[in-house]
Amino acid sequence: QLQLQESGPGLVKPSETLSLTCIVSGDSISSSSSYWGWIRQPPGKGLEWIGSIYFSGSTYHNPSLKSRVTISVDTSKNQFFLKLSSVTPADTAVYYCARHNPQYSYDSSGFGGWGQGTLVTVSS
Amino acid sequence: YVLTQPPSVSVAPGQTARITCGGNNIGSKIVHWYQQKPGQAPVLVVYDDSDRPSGIPERFSGSNSGDTATLTISRVEAGDEADYYCQVWDGSSDHWVFGGGTRLTVL
Repeated sequence: QLQLQESGPGLVKPSETLSLTCIVSGDSISSSSSYWGWIRQPPGKGLEWIGSIYFSGSTYHNPSLKSRVTISVDTSKNQFFLKLSSVTPADTAVYYCARHNPQYSYDSSGFGGWGQGTLVTVSS
Repeated sequence: YVLTQPPSVSVAPGQTARITCGGNNIGSKIVHWYQQKPGQAPVLVVYDDSDRPSGIPERFSGSNSGDTATLTISRVEAGDEADYYCQVWDGSSDHWVFGGGTRLTVL
């Protein structure tokens, strides 16, 4: 059974870098069929996709965040990571990691497994 | 690419709820739908326009044509009260886009 768990600091100071880890169990992150993504949700607002990574290291990013986002993967630990630099209070959100397992084309299948989310607050 | 959802939809128990997701020629894209209850992570309820993941009741269905995709929930129950989000892949800029979300209220 797939499980994803986000971990990282709950409080980050403005201008610093937000760093989160997603620990994956129940599936190999090296699965040739899966992509691994980060999505965030500011308090009381909607969902925003941040970016996704394939086990090979190839990535897609939200154009609005691309210059500040780094997504990486450690297949030996079955984990993937998010770094968001130069944060501001506008980056305060619940951050989710999720699995995308497209069945026939990249845009198919949706995100079928999500972590519980972790709240990150940006404040001095 | 912009996806437009109504902020809220209200329906009485046992009735049918229809939640729309508007986008330019969205019928040419593949649409996914998520349900999110307060304090919980989103759950995929419809993928690839009209398919249901295992464990999702048949009461949930989807359609997609022209400029509108629709999530239909038949025989609505109190437990269906949640926020619902549509999602597509914008191939022109290589990124996933979510609609703004619709709060379903069961009267």
